[in-house]
Amino acid sequence: AQSVTQLGSHVSVSEGALVLLRCNYSSSVPPYLFWYVQYPNQGLQLLLKYTSAATLVKGINGFEAEFKKSETSFHLTKPSAHMSDAAEYFCAVSDRGNQFYFGTGTSLTVIP
Amino acid sequence: GAGVSQSPRYKVAKRGQDVALRCDPISGHVSLFWYQQALGQGPEFLTYFQNEAQLDKSGLPSDRFFAERPEGSVSTLKIQRTQQEDSAVYLCASSPSLDRDKYFGPGTRLTVT
Repeated sequence: AQSVTQLGSHVSVSEGALVLLRCNYSSSVPPYLFWYVQYPNQGLQLLLKYTSAATLVKGINGFEAEFKKSETSFHLTKPSAHMSDAAEYFCAVSDRGNQFYFGTGTSLTVIP
Repeated sequence: GAGVSQSPRYKVAKRGQDVALRCDPISGHVSLFWYQQALGQGPEFLTYFQNEAQLDKSGLPSDRFFAERPEGSVSTLKIQRTQQEDSAVYLCASSPSLDRDKYFGPGTRLTVT
């Protein structure tokens, strides 16, 4: 079975500060891992994904995530937060089939 | 090009009413998914189509939920005799194939009063 835990339902950072959103997964098979962003009243947009190639994955808008098998983690980072980064972020795990398992989301607030 | 569209964007239904939610996937996308996102939660899988075939409906919460994609393009999620616990955002996603990236629509926010 697959599941995702996102630690911290709300994260606040100052503009220009490091963004760190945490995601731990559980999977009985080698997983595919994803980060999505959701702006108000919009659908989910893929930020980046891990599909068993490089463990450090770079995505859009300056975000990146590192797959750490030993820690079963896939934390999302960005060196310098921008006001436009304020949104809801979801981590998801897939068993490479048709099902995705999403975390409960982390709401990111960027303080000017 | 056009993304995934969903209609209506907002729907208010009285308890017991039937509702139909529409999803227009990206043209040519074979795979189509429906998710339910309750307030403050992540999306949860409902059902999956490959072309017109519904290959997985294990996430549908009850037999009041029914989905179809008769011509392998537009899909409709129907909820019969709506209950308050059905209030959620219903997201549709499509992809060129099962192992390709999913593209999500903006969702339909259903409120059952």
